[in-house]
Amino acid sequence: EVQLVESGGGLVRPGGSLRLSCAASAFSFSDYSMNWVRQTPGKGLEWAASISSSGSFIDYAASMRGRFTISRDNVKNSLSLRMSSLRAEDTAVYYCARRGHLGDSFDLWGQGTMVTVSS
Amino acid sequence: QSVLTQPPSVSGAPGQRVTISCTGSSSNIGAGYDVHWYQQFPGTAPKLLIFGNNNRPSGVPDRFSGSKSGTSASLAITGLQAEDEADYYCQSYDNSLSHVFGTGTNVIVL
Repeated sequence: EVQLVESGGGLVRPGGSLRLSCAASAFSFSDYSMNWVRQTPGKGLEWAASISSSGSFIDYAASMRGRFTISRDNVKNSLSLRMSSLRAEDTAVYYCARRGHLGDSFDLWGQGTMVTVSS
Repeated sequence: QSVLTQPPSVSGAPGQRVTISCTGSSSNIGAGYDVHWYQQFPGTAPKLLIFGNNNRPSGVPDRFSGSKSGTSASLAITGLQAEDEADYYCQSYDNSLSHVFGTGTNVIVL
C-alpha cells in the first residue's frame, strides 16, 4: 500500500529538541519532493519545511528557519525533521506530505504525529 | 497567520449547492499559482480533493468542483451529502511565504 507513516512525536519541555521520522512505502520515494505540514490543536494547517527529491533544495517557513532541519534518506525511503529550541506554539500534529505530480499539490499524507511542548 | 482567507463555516441542506471562497492576493493566487483543495475529517489527515484549480484526483466524486479567478478561488459542492460534513482547506504558493494554506472552512450539512 502506498503510504507515509510518521513517528517520534511526544512531550518535550520548552527549549528542548525532538526528531520526527516519516517512513515511505510502495512508491518511488526518490522521485518526489517531501514536506512537513503542521496543524495546531483546533486550528488550521501550516506548511513547515520542504526538501527536493535529491535533497539539494530545502526551504523552511520563517518561524521555523534556524530551529528546524529537514533531511531525507533516499536509500532508506525516509524523511526526518529535527526540531530544536522548541516553544509552546510549536505544539501541533506534524504530518509528512508528498508533493506529487498532480500540479504541485500535496497528494499523499501520513497519519500525523503529535508534538506537545510543555513544562 | 494564514494569507488565504476562507469563511469559517458554510452550511446547506442535503442536495443543495454550497461554495467556499478562498481569497488571496497578488503575491499568491493573483500571481498565477495554482490552487488546491483538501478535505479533512476530525482526527484524520487531510486528503487532496482538487488540484490545479479545477481537477479531481481519481476517486473524488464529480459533485466537487473548483474554479479560480483573479486573486480568489472557489470550491463548489453540488448535491450536498451528509458525508461531505468536514473541514476544507485551500492551498497555493506565495512569492514570499512559499506554500500557504487557507484558514479553513467547516461545512455543515443541515
